[in-house]
Formats: sequence, structure tokens, C-alpha cells
Amino acid sequence: AQSVTQLDSQVPVFEEAPVELRCNYSSSVSVYLFWYVQYPNQGLQLLLKYLSGSTLVKGINGFEAEFNKSQTSFHLRKPSVHISDTAEYFCAVSEGDPNAGGTSYGKLTFGQGTILTVHP
Amino acid sequence: EPEVTQTPSHQVTQMGQEVILRCVPISNHLYFYWYRQILGQKVEFLVSFYNNEISEKSEIFDDQFSVERPDGSNFTLKIRSTKLEDSAMYFCASKRAAGNTIYFGEGSWLTVV
Repeated sequence: AQSVTQLDSQVPVFEEAPVELRCNYSSSVSVYLFWYVQYPNQGLQLLLKYLSGSTLVKGINGFEAEFNKSQTSFHLRKPSVHISDTAEYFCAVSEGDPNAGGTSYGKLTFGQGTILTVHP
Repeated sequence: EPEVTQTPSHQVTQMGQEVILRCVPISNHLYFYWYRQILGQKVEFLVSFYNNEISEKSEIFDDQFSVERPDGSNFTLKIRSTKLEDSAMYFCASKRAAGNTIYFGEGSWLTVV
């Protein structure tokens, strides 16, 4: 079974400051990792994903994340945040299906979410 | 850009009533999902659907829940007799057969009173 832990439930920062949202996972098999963002009163939007290859992945809106297999982490970072980044951020994992060449089943396990609040 | 669409965006229903939430997945996708998010809690997997049958379901997805793909474009979630604890945001999602990215709709907010 897989699980995801987002270590911070709320992260307040000032505009233009850097931010890191932490995510750790556990799984007995290879995983695919995702960050989704949920703006107020909206659905889940894919921010970025790690499937394979380079451990540093870049996403939309200037976000990036680094996959660290030894530490089972997938922390999300942005060097300078804007007011518009205020949202809830979810880390999620899915397992590969060995019978389908590693393609994910699509069953995502989500973390608890981190509310990022950017203050002027 | 193609997207997953869901209707209704918000529904209020009385306890014990049947509810159908509708979704139109992205047209060339073959895997379909329902997730839910109770207010203040994490997003939870309910069910996955592929090749006209359920491929996996969670413990939450009991006999009160059912899914159907009645035609080539819609994917529905039915709750037969709603309970107060069914109040949540329900997300539909879809994925290509060979892809690894799941695309979510905007969600349907269900309030059971």
C-alpha cells in the first residue's frame, strides 16, 4: 500500500519570497509522483509530474519539484511567489502497473494538502 | 485544450434521495475515475472504470454507489440513497490508455440535508 504525507498543513509566506512545500511518500513499488493545485472554489489542476528521467521537474507557473528516491520525497518549490499562488497544493502518487509496461492504473493516493497563503 | 466536464456544479438533496452526478471525460481517454473530497479532508479514490467495467474500487464505494457509461461520452456516478456523510466534492477524472497523467474535472459539490 502507498501513502503520502505532506508535512505542513499551512504555509504562510510573503510575496516574492521563496517557498518549499514538503511531500514524503511510501510505496513498495515504483511510483509516479504528481503535484496538483486547487484554487479557491475550483477543481484540481495538474502542476507537474515525475514519471521517469531527470529528477528535477518543472511545471506551470514557475513551480518545480525534485524527486529524491533515497529520501522518498518530492518537495515542491518556487523561488518567488505571487499573491495569485494562494491555493491548496496536493501531492499524490500512483503505482505503475507491471502488466502494462509500468503505465499507471491511475489510482492516486493524495496527501492531506498544504494551504499556501501569500501575503502582500 | 480538452477538459473533463462535470454537471451539476452544485446539488442539494434530501437524505435518502438518489443522486446522479454526470461527467464527460476527455474524448480519447479510456480510463475513468471518481474521487471525492469531504470538506477539510484529503481527496479519496472511489472507483476506476475501464473497458466498460469497474477495474478497482475503494472501501468507500459500497452498494449504494454505482457507475455507468451509458453512451460513448458520458460517465455517471449514482448514489442510490444518500446519507449526510455523502456530502462532499466529487471529482471525475480520466486518463489515456497509455498515459500516466490523470486529468480532473472542476468537481460537483453535493450537499445532503
